[in-house]
Amino acid sequence: SQQGEEDPQALSIQEGENATMNCSYKTSINNLQWYRQNSGRGLVHLILIRSNEREKHSGRLRVTLDTSKKSSSLLITASRAADTASYFCATVMNRDDKIIFGKGTRLHILP
Amino acid sequence: EPEVTQTPSHQVTQMGQEVILRCVPISNHLYFYWYRQILGQKVEFLVSFYNNEISEKSEIFDDQFSVERPDGSNFTLKIRSTKLEDSAMYFCASSLQRGGAQPQHFGDGTRLSIL
Repeated sequence: SQQGEEDPQALSIQEGENATMNCSYKTSINNLQWYRQNSGRGLVHLILIRSNEREKHSGRLRVTLDTSKKSSSLLITASRAADTASYFCATVMNRDDKIIFGKGTRLHILP
Repeated sequence: EPEVTQTPSHQVTQMGQEVILRCVPISNHLYFYWYRQILGQKVEFLVSFYNNEISEKSEIFDDQFSVERPDGSNFTLKIRSTKLEDSAMYFCASSLQRGGAQPQHFGDGTRLSIL
């Protein structure tokens, strides 16, 4: 089944460093999204990149999409303690209603 | 900023009992969703709802589950006879357009504990 799989499963970095998370999926998509989930909270949408786009920026976030490799990456620059959370990539197939989430990357920013 | 609200935040129920989880989507949104997240696992799609009917559902969403939009604001998920494996966080989401065309906005979830 189509599924986003994030890599690494967990990541710890020093505050101020950049964090990179990767996502791979299996079938063609309409778009790919990244969400953040703080502990015990709901998911917060970060960024959406369509299948015909290759790169997108939003503040300190940079997302790339390579449809030939069926992969995406999320880069968080100049990380802050508040960035500590789980990050999920999520894919949407054409004409689908649902979002398919991956298992997520747990990011921990060390002070 | 408008947000999706869910009640209760935590529901404890005896196995076999019925439970209703409530959600108030963002007011001008047209598409509504339920997802669940079993502890330590990924978020799984349950059902999408548009124009007062189910538009898509997963294999998890069996006959024990139902959804309803009883009035112009609430969106509910009912589990008729709960099982232990129904214990999970249940998230409601809404969006202005279909599926992933625009971001889905999530509530903070209801933690359902089945005893």
